[in-house]
Amino acid sequence: SAVISQKPSRDICQRGTSLTIQCQVDSQVTMMFWYRQQPGQSLTLIATANQGSEATYESGFVIDKFPISRPNLTFSTLTVSNMSPEDSSIYLCSVATGGGTGELFFGEGSRLTVL
Amino acid sequence: RKEVEQDPGPFNVPEGATVAFNCTYSNSASQSFFWYRQDCRKEPKLLMSVYSSGNEDGRFTAQLNRASQYISLLIRDSKLSDSATYLCGSSASKIIFGSGTRLSIRP
Repeated sequence: SAVISQKPSRDICQRGTSLTIQCQVDSQVTMMFWYRQQPGQSLTLIATANQGSEATYESGFVIDKFPISRPNLTFSTLTVSNMSPEDSSIYLCSVATGGGTGELFFGEGSRLTVL
Repeated sequence: RKEVEQDPGPFNVPEGATVAFNCTYSNSASQSFFWYRQDCRKEPKLLMSVYSSGNEDGRFTAQLNRASQYISLLIRDSKLSDSATYLCGSSASKIIFGSGTRLSIRP
């Protein structure tokens, strides 16, 4: 298993600003993932954050809007840039066991509200 | 078409009932399958992985049908504490989740 700490746990932001979410894992992991969960919806994968290489983004998500850093095997950040109310969501960091096809462990999420 | 589809529910059943959820996936390259449980305002947590031969964990049984590309979850003798949203996921290189099925157990 893995223990994942995310911060901030919640924030209220103004339109047009940017917010960086941090994810810290208690052990070294190869692959980290960032998901978004909009109100009443399921989890949507934003990108895979790989240490030593650029993040891989899913369809509908771009690096300019959601830049990701992965400086080492225990830490990653996701920035939500130039926010709009449509970005209001829960953002979840997760890590995989078993080379990416294993189970995922999730952080508690960062609840973002954009006014 | 979504890569993973499941009935959103809600399912509202009495305590002690048996309830079944199905989930279909479209990526034939998927190799791993999971059921996650998500409580209100909490992060998802793994309930069980789904193996080709089917697997059981107490009151919970998961099955995989590769030919029809669906997975199922059966909950027997449901408890009030089983009330949650159940997410199915399939993975080729990354886990894609269904929309979740909301289950509510009433006394």
